[in-house]
Amino acid sequence: EIVLTQSPGTLSLSPGERATLSCRASQSVSSSYLAWYQQKPGQAPRLLIYGASSRATGIPDRFSGSGSGTDFTLTISRLEPEDFAVYYCQQYGSSLRVYTFGQGTKLEIK
Amino acid sequence: QLQLQESGSGLVKPSQTLSLTCAVSGGSISSGGYSWSWIRQPPGKGLEWIGYIYHSGSTYYNPSLKSRVTISVDRSKNQFSLKLSSVTAADTAVYYCAREGEGLDFPFFDYWGQGTLVTVSS
Repeated sequence: EIVLTQSPGTLSLSPGERATLSCRASQSVSSSYLAWYQQKPGQAPRLLIYGASSRATGIPDRFSGSGSGTDFTLTISRLEPEDFAVYYCQQYGSSLRVYTFGQGTKLEIK
Repeated sequence: QLQLQESGSGLVKPSQTLSLTCAVSGGSISSGGYSWSWIRQPPGKGLEWIGYIYHSGSTYYNPSLKSRVTISVDRSKNQFSLKLSSVTAADTAVYYCAREGEGLDFPFFDYWGQGTLVTVSS
C-alpha cells in the first residue's frame, strides 16, 4: 500500500506570500494519477490539480503543481484570503484500483 | 451541472449497519467511463476512500474496509448506495459521495456531495 506523507502539517503565511506544499509517496507513483484538493471548513473537497500539474476547470493560475516519482509539490504563487484552507494530495493505484489520500496540510493566516 | 446529494441515517448504534444513499442529478449515473465513490472523513481528520461502483456495476473497495462494505446502484432512480456493517465509534465520520472518471483514465474526484455526518453511538 502506498502511503502519502504531506508536509508541513501546518503552514502559516500572509496574503500575498508564496506557499509551497509537499506530498511524498512511500514508493514511486505515476504522476498521471496524482491530484491535489482544497477543503474549506464545512465544505467538501474541491479538485485543484490532476495529473500532477494540470489545473482543474475554473482553478486560478496562481495554483500550480509539479513533481514526479515520489515527490510532488503544490505551489500557490500569491496567497489570496480565500486560499487559506486544508490541502490534500491523492493518488490512484491502477494495479489494485485503490485511492489514497495524504493526511493534509493546513494553510493558515499568519 | 451535476449534483450529488447524500441521505440516510445520521445516528447508528454500534454493531448495526450504516446505510446511505447518494442521489445524482444533472447527469446520468450510467454515463460511460464514470465511477461513483464513497469517501469518509472522521471529525477533524483526513479523507479515506471507501470504495466505488463502476457504471457497469463492478465494485472496488478499500482493502481495510472490504469485509464490511457493500456499494450498489439503482439506475432507475439515478442513485447509488453504501452499506457498512458492524459499525463502531471509529466509523463516525462525514460521509461523502463523489464522481470520478477512472474508466476515462481520469481517476480523480471532480464532483462531490455536500457530505452527511454519521455518528455511531448507543
